[in-house]
Amino acid sequence: GAVVSQHPSRVICKSGTSVKIECRSLDFQATTMFWYRQFPKQSLMLMATSNEGSKATYEQGVEKDKFLINHASLTLSTLTVTSAHPEDSSFYICSANDWDAQSYNEQFFGPGTRLTVL
Amino acid sequence: GESVGLHLPTLSVQEGDNSIINCAYSNSASDYFIWYKQESGKGPQFIIDIRSNMDKRQGQRVTVLLNKTVKHLSLQIAATQPGDSAVYFCAEFTGGKLTFGQGTILTVHP
Repeated sequence: GAVVSQHPSRVICKSGTSVKIECRSLDFQATTMFWYRQFPKQSLMLMATSNEGSKATYEQGVEKDKFLINHASLTLSTLTVTSAHPEDSSFYICSANDWDAQSYNEQFFGPGTRLTVL
Repeated sequence: GESVGLHLPTLSVQEGDNSIINCAYSNSASDYFIWYKQESGKGPQFIIDIRSNMDKRQGQRVTVLLNKTVKHLSLQIAATQPGDSAVYFCAEFTGGKLTFGQGTILTVHP
């Protein structure tokens, strides 16, 4: 099956610093990648949708200048949390699919990245 | 706004019993409904999906039922095993995006 990896799996940083999280599709080309955030004991909330070579589409309430998303290739998307604060501590999960995002097809999820901001 | 929700936040069962996890949704325009399993510290794992024009779909030990009249979705797990212990989320696909429900914690006791 299709595999999506994330790096790092865990990261601890100081308040005010920036953190970059990578999401890679290992054995397929990801036309579309999605970034989710999950707080403890809560559901996944979609942050943004990114298509290779174009700007990401952010969900309402998600600050695009704080959460920078780059989808420069068909196998890599990055999420950069800029000027991180303790309230940004969360589990960040990416997913990817290899088809037209407007048509349903299975999204393949990464293992997640646990971000802790001190 | 539109949302997907769950009736039961926790469910405890004995090993070997059948489990039923429920989900209510409000967006009648959704094309697909999907069930995911998430173990602690991991990403969601696809279990089964169902298209909006179907009312039942079976997989290995799992069955998804869709009742569009009352906007209700359920996941049935047969002969539940300790390895089934996890959080289960329903999600709906519409407009190119997945919207997740709140999740049910399933605990299976040996």
